[in-house]
Amino acid sequence: DQQVKQNSPSLSVQEGRISILNCDYTNSMFDYFLWYKKYPAEGPTFLISISSIKDKNEDGRFTVFLNKSAKHLSLHIVPSQPGDSAVYFCAASPYSGGGADGLTFGKGTHLIIQP
Amino acid sequence: DGGITQSPKYLFRKEGQNVTLSCEQNLNHDAMYWYRQDPGQGLRLIYYSQIVNDFQKGDIAEGYSVSREKKESFPLTVTSAQKNPTAFYLCASKGRGVRETQYFGPGTRLLVL
Repeated sequence: DQQVKQNSPSLSVQEGRISILNCDYTNSMFDYFLWYKKYPAEGPTFLISISSIKDKNEDGRFTVFLNKSAKHLSLHIVPSQPGDSAVYFCAASPYSGGGADGLTFGKGTHLIIQP
Repeated sequence: DGGITQSPKYLFRKEGQNVTLSCEQNLNHDAMYWYRQDPGQGLRLIYYSQIVNDFQKGDIAEGYSVSREKKESFPLTVTSAQKNPTAFYLCASKGRGVRETQYFGPGTRLLVL
């Protein structure tokens, strides 16, 4: 039973346009959400996070939106650049366990930025 | 400079052999984690440790063992009981706060001969 779902295995976007990556979750206990960027054979790199008390968080070209009622979050990248081509993982963490529980990851979306 | 190191980058295991993957961090983080990634899949949690001398099973702990004798180190042993060990293994660590970020090492690719 997948608790974090990224339903688009891949996404192709033209350079300079907006990239929108989506993520849905089913576990109501999830309290903290993160996006990671990953290149092949490397560890994931943290991009941006959002806690359930907010509905938007912005950091430079990256903005994450959280819709708790729909159990949906999205990552917007504006403008998209060639270096953004990578696999993006959505991850979630519950509040329980003192905050040290592991993350639950989606399967990732492969973002391809076309020139 | 601070970070998480994993060694080796590539590891080969023979049938019936136990192998140990190293993870070291100098970030002074309390919590450490091991994940496994298979092709086309997300990361799945194997084991985690909140403090020294304590660790918890994750979602796929069978066939793996860990120890946490030092704050900086969290080695993972892939035992012969793990029937499908070929994967990319990632170690992560996190500070003490409730909503702090997990940071990842570069990973170890384990292959079975």
